[in-house]
Amino acid sequence: GAGVSQSPSNKVTEKGKDVELRCDPISGHTALYWYRQSLGQGLEFLIYFQGNSAPDKSGLPSDRFSAERTGGSVSTLTIQRTQQEDSAVYLCASSPPGVSEQFFGPGTRLTVL
Amino acid sequence: AQRVTQPEKLLSVFKGAPVELKCNYSYSGSPELFWYVQYSRQRLQLLLRHISRESIKGFTADLNKGETSFHLKKPFAQEEDSAMYYCALLTGFQKLVFGTGTRLLVSP
Repeated sequence: GAGVSQSPSNKVTEKGKDVELRCDPISGHTALYWYRQSLGQGLEFLIYFQGNSAPDKSGLPSDRFSAERTGGSVSTLTIQRTQQEDSAVYLCASSPPGVSEQFFGPGTRLTVL
Repeated sequence: AQRVTQPEKLLSVFKGAPVELKCNYSYSGSPELFWYVQYSRQRLQLLLRHISRESIKGFTADLNKGETSFHLKKPFAQEEDSAMYYCALLTGFQKLVFGTGTRLLVSP
C-alpha cells in the first residue's frame, strides 16, 4: 500500500515569506508527527497529532510555526516569515492505533535564501 | 531529562568485520527503544525495537537498563549495511527522541 507522502519534495523560498508543507499519512493511521532534520542537529520533534488534536506542541521552535490536521488525515505545517535557520528537511510520520512504530515520509527539503 | 546519545558520528569498517553502534539513553520512565535506518536517498525506516527482540538483517540490540544502553550489533558487516543509523527513545505523548545518528560505512 501507499506510504506516507509529503509535498512538495523541495521548496526554495526567500527569507520573510510564508511556506506550507503538506503531509498525507497512511490511511487509518490516527497519530501523525512532524520532525525536523537539520545538519548537525539530528532529528528533532516538532508536534504530534492524535486525530485532529495536538496534545503535544512542545517542539515547535517559535510562534512562527503552526500545524493543523483536518478530517483526521492530511496535515499542514506552516512557517511564517521564514528565516535562514528554518532551512532543514521536514519529516512527517504516522502510526496506527496501539502501535508505537512510526512510519516516515520522504521529507520536504526547505531552503530559505 | 530525556536524551539519547550516539557518541560516534562515523563508523568505518571492512566487509565481514563485526559492527557495534553505540547508543545510551537517559529517561526516568520505562524505556522503549528503537533503531531506525536511513539508506542513501531513501526514507527513514524502522530497523528493530527492543520489545520484539527480533534480529533484522543480522542486526540485534539488547536493552541494558543497568548501563542505560541499547547498542546495535552485527557479527559480519555487509556493504549494503552502509547507511545512517539512529537510535530513538519513545517518550510521553508518543514522541520519539532521536540520537544524532551514526554513519556506518562498510568498505569492500
